[in-house]
Amino acid sequence: GAVVSQHPSWVICKSGTSVKIECRSLDFQATTMFWYRQFPKQSLMLMATSNEGSKATYEQGVEKDKFLINHASLTLSTLTVTSAHPEDSSFYICSAQDGWASGSRELFFGEGSRLTVL
Amino acid sequence: GDSVTQMEGPVTLSEEAFLTINCTYTATGYPSLFWYVQYPGEGLQLLLKATKADDKGSNKGFEATYRKETTSFHLEKGSVQVSDSAVYFCALSDQGDMRFGAGTRLTVKP
Repeated sequence: GAVVSQHPSWVICKSGTSVKIECRSLDFQATTMFWYRQFPKQSLMLMATSNEGSKATYEQGVEKDKFLINHASLTLSTLTVTSAHPEDSSFYICSAQDGWASGSRELFFGEGSRLTVL
Repeated sequence: GDSVTQMEGPVTLSEEAFLTINCTYTATGYPSLFWYVQYPGEGLQLLLKATKADDKGSNKGFEATYRKETTSFHLEKGSVQVSDSAVYFCALSDQGDMRFGAGTRLTVKP
């Protein structure tokens, strides 16, 4: 299947700093990528939909000024957690869609990035 | 909006027991349905999928049938193994983004 790579896998930062997480589709072009957040022992919550060349669409309750999403190319989307605080500590996962034309609607997920804010 | 309701866990079974994890959905359109698995310390992996009513997805001994009449996509396995211990997520996709159930943690004891 298609490969989506996330970097970094782990990041620890001090409160008040900003952290950037990258999501790359390695062997396909993804016009749309999705960013999820997973709290411990809970399900994944869709944060935003990232469209190449346009502004991201955020889910209700997600602060767009805190979670900056950029999708500058067909293979790269970035999530920047600005002025991070301990409550932002979480597991962030991106996904990208391949095969939309075939109707499979399958998403391929990155490995996830665990953010710990001290 | 579209949503998925999944059987709450945790579920603890003995090796070779029969597994069922219930999943029902609500959707305005005709979604594709998925089961994802997350092993300890790892990311999500697609386990199986079904794209239309009456389709059966299967993989690694797991099966799930897309039942439109009951809006369900229950996951089953006839004989679980210790290595099946993981968190299982039911999900649907209708307009591109994926909506997940709460996840069910399965522990299989030898």
